[in-house]
Amino acid sequence: DQQVKQNSPSLSVQEGRISILNCDYTNSMFDYFLWYKKYPAEGPTFLISISSIKDKNEDGRFTVFLNKSAKHLSLHIVPSQPGDSAVYFCAASAGSSSSNTGKLIFGQGTTLQVKP
Amino acid sequence: DAGITQSPRHKVTETGTPVTLRCHQTENHRYMYWYRQDPGHGLRLIHYSYGVKDTDKGEVSDGYSVSRSKTEDFLLTLESATSSQTSVYFCAISEWDREAFFGQGTRLTVV
Repeated sequence: DQQVKQNSPSLSVQEGRISILNCDYTNSMFDYFLWYKKYPAEGPTFLISISSIKDKNEDGRFTVFLNKSAKHLSLHIVPSQPGDSAVYFCAASAGSSSSNTGKLIFGQGTTLQVKP
Repeated sequence: DAGITQSPRHKVTETGTPVTLRCHQTENHRYMYWYRQDPGHGLRLIHYSYGVKDTDKGEVSDGYSVSRSKTEDFLLTLESATSSQTSVYFCAISEWDREAFFGQGTRLTVV
């Protein structure tokens, strides 16, 4: 049962254009969403996050959009650069309480290639 | 970079042998996680810890056990390694179970 899904295994865009990576989730208890970037032979690095009380969060060239009704989030990279070529993972958490920790559940990843 | 060290970085072991991977942090973060990364599956949560001696199962916990006797160390043990456990294993830490910071990974091959 895949709670977080990235249905596009790969994406190729031209340098300078917009990259849009998509992610769907099924668990309505998720209240925090994150995007990570991963280069080969390295650990994932945190990119940007969004709380469920917001529908948009922006950080430089990176913007994450959240559509709660559709249980969908997307990452926009504008403009795309060759150095952005990597695997991108979305992740979701159901928050925490005194007895829970908020497991961080990841999608399968999308490989982005930005062509010069 | 967050102070996370995984050891060993690479290991080849035989089927049926026990294997222990270590994650050590210097950040004093409360939460620690073990993930495995496999093609087509992304990062799957094996076990996680929300405090010393407080652990819980993730999505793919069968065949794995963990221990956390100190804040800084989180051990992942494969009691009897199988070929299906060949993977890259990542440890992660977080303070408020939000943005997790990852280690460099351990590549484990079971032959």
